[in-house]
Amino acid sequence: ILNVEQSPQSLHVQEGDSTNFTCSFPSSNFYALHWYRWETAKSPEALFVMTLNGDEKKKGRISATLNTKEGYSYLYIKGSQPEDSATYLCAFVNGGSQGNLIFGKGTKLSVKP
Amino acid sequence: DGGITQSPKYLFRKEGQNVTLSCEQNLNHDAMYWYRQDPGQGLRLIYYSQIVNDFQKGDIAEGYSVSREKKESFPLTVTSAQKNPTAFYLCASSIVRQGSTEAFFGQGTRLTVV
Repeated sequence: ILNVEQSPQSLHVQEGDSTNFTCSFPSSNFYALHWYRWETAKSPEALFVMTLNGDEKKKGRISATLNTKEGYSYLYIKGSQPEDSATYLCAFVNGGSQGNLIFGKGTKLSVKP
Repeated sequence: DGGITQSPKYLFRKEGQNVTLSCEQNLNHDAMYWYRQDPGQGLRLIYYSQIVNDFQKGDIAEGYSVSREKKESFPLTVTSAQKNPTAFYLCASSIVRQGSTEAFFGQGTRLTVV
């Protein structure tokens, strides 16, 4: 059974704090790693899709890194804002699954003004 | 606006009844998916379709059925054989079914069976 673990489960930070979360996944037969942001009452939205070891991607104040050899990805948020409050999901794609996403349980971020 | 529409947002059904959840997309995507979310768990794949008139079981297909008669539509039927149907259901699509393409999601349907 392929397992994707996200930590922490939840996080409370103050506006302006920088923060990061972890996604751990099997290091063998890697194909891709996705990050999604899911705000309450909205649809999950893609942040990044990463495929190469050492990938670093950035979108505004949010960035992500990927280490496929050790099986982890970090998501960083610089200078958190209340609008960053959401659940952040990562999803792993195994090379043998032909495209199926295996999701972690998510990290719920709350940013207090 | 392009996107994925799921309806209804909330659905209540009596135990033993079949119920169909709607999913429509106008993104011209070939691939479509149904996921289920339960409290404290990650999204789990129920069924997926790579192209019209084709669909495959995901990890938790028992008690569910789907059809893909049109590219835009991928309805999910929760049958009376599904032992624990109360859950939050998300529909998604992607350009093609390939792990390096991002998925686009609907807003979900919360099904409660009483």
